[in-house]
Amino acid sequence: AQKITQTQPGMFVQEKEAVTLDCTYDTSDQSYGLFWYKQPSSGEMIFLIYQGSYDEQNATEGRYSLNFQKARKSANLVISASQLGDSAMYFCAMRKLGGATNKLIFGTGTLLAVQP
Amino acid sequence: KAGVTQTPRYLIKTRGQQVTLSCSPISGHRSVSWYQQTPGQGLQFLFEYFSETQRNKGNFPGRFSGRQFSNSRSEMNVSTLELGDSALYLCASSLSSVKSSYNSPLHFGNGTRLTVT
Repeated sequence: AQKITQTQPGMFVQEKEAVTLDCTYDTSDQSYGLFWYKQPSSGEMIFLIYQGSYDEQNATEGRYSLNFQKARKSANLVISASQLGDSAMYFCAMRKLGGATNKLIFGTGTLLAVQP
Repeated sequence: KAGVTQTPRYLIKTRGQQVTLSCSPISGHRSVSWYQQTPGQGLQFLFEYFSETQRNKGNFPGRFSGRQFSNSRSEMNVSTLELGDSALYLCASSLSSVKSSYNSPLHFGNGTRLTVT
């Protein structure tokens, strides 16, 4: 069975600083994908970044980067130069690749508060 | 390009009633999934449809059902509502084909917030 663990219920960061949100996972699948989503108070889940289990390079998307350490089964999200608009819940999620479903397994989320 | 549209945004129902939620996926997306989000249980997978066929179902009672139409729009229905069904219901669509062998992120709507009194 797949499992995602996010151990930080909440975090504070100063505006313009970098912050790392932790995510560890457990799976017996060889091929899987890891996703990060942002959920503002409005409720919409916004896709941020993706890392495939066979990708050799860490994924980056603008100010977001994913620190992927396969042996340690971790996929931490790094947000550089934090902005006030980054305040939101952040969810790490996983999906088996090559199967017949898009089902995502989510972690419990981390609430990030960016302070001016 | 329009995103995933869910209607209504808010619903208030009484125990024992039934409710139908609607989801219009991004144009061209044939896969639609539904998730329930509550403070206690977090995000839980309800079901997934592809080309009008349910291809995966989560661990929810039979009161929860769904369907997908030929235009990929989807509805989910909850019958005999219970207080514990109060939640944010999120719909997501994806470009993926039958075999999800490549990166195809789910794109979510704003959700329908259901309150059962």
